[in-house]
Amino acid sequence: QQPVQSPQAVILREGEDAVINCSSSKALYSVHWYRQKHGEAPVFLMILLKGGEQKGHDKISASFNEKKQQSSLYLTASQLSYSGTYFCGTVWGRNTPLVFGKGTRLSVIA
Amino acid sequence: DAGITQSPRHKVTETGTPVTLRCHQTENHRYMYWYRQDPGHGLRLIHYSYGVKDTDKGEVSDGYSVSRSKTEDFLLTLESATSSQTSVYFCAISAQGLAGQETQYFGPGTRLLVL
Repeated sequence: QQPVQSPQAVILREGEDAVINCSSSKALYSVHWYRQKHGEAPVFLMILLKGGEQKGHDKISASFNEKKQQSSLYLTASQLSYSGTYFCGTVWGRNTPLVFGKGTRLSVIA
Repeated sequence: DAGITQSPRHKVTETGTPVTLRCHQTENHRYMYWYRQDPGHGLRLIHYSYGVKDTDKGEVSDGYSVSRSKTEDFLLTLESATSSQTSVYFCAISAQGLAGQETQYFGPGTRLLVL
């Protein structure tokens, strides 16, 4: 059961903010976020463990609401380099593999 | 750079032929994974390995087999390729695997076209 990401796609102008959501139908152990540029491999952004933590990575941060079984990725003051497809990956138990969502395509335009 | 290479990087083959994709890593990571990526589906796990000769199935394992005879190499075989297996295949590694806290690093991918 893949996690559900929303929106599927979003277009931003430079400097605008965006939020990408990732929801699971099952209780989560951890949530992973990756970004993939066109024609390249996915690149790790951050991991959030259950406990409701929030992490930051430059102007990209994320939260994890264990109770709601969802995570959100926040992109602040977007830059052209933020363009790509963002994937969340969810882990339901300590020894279960990562399951990725279908991705959110983010396009930042000048 | 996690020292992961995949070969070949591109391959065109015909329906019914066997195909083997290779993933090679240089850092002795215990866990290795094979994913396929298709438009509208994201990344889906095919098989993974947690050690030499230790493998398990992922969510889309039908039509695929894997082998790991050395720590550094993880092979994915399509016994009889079908057009539905046209995809981009990514190998990934992680240091400790399924603990839920481990970063996965991806190889550059292999584009496979089955005619």
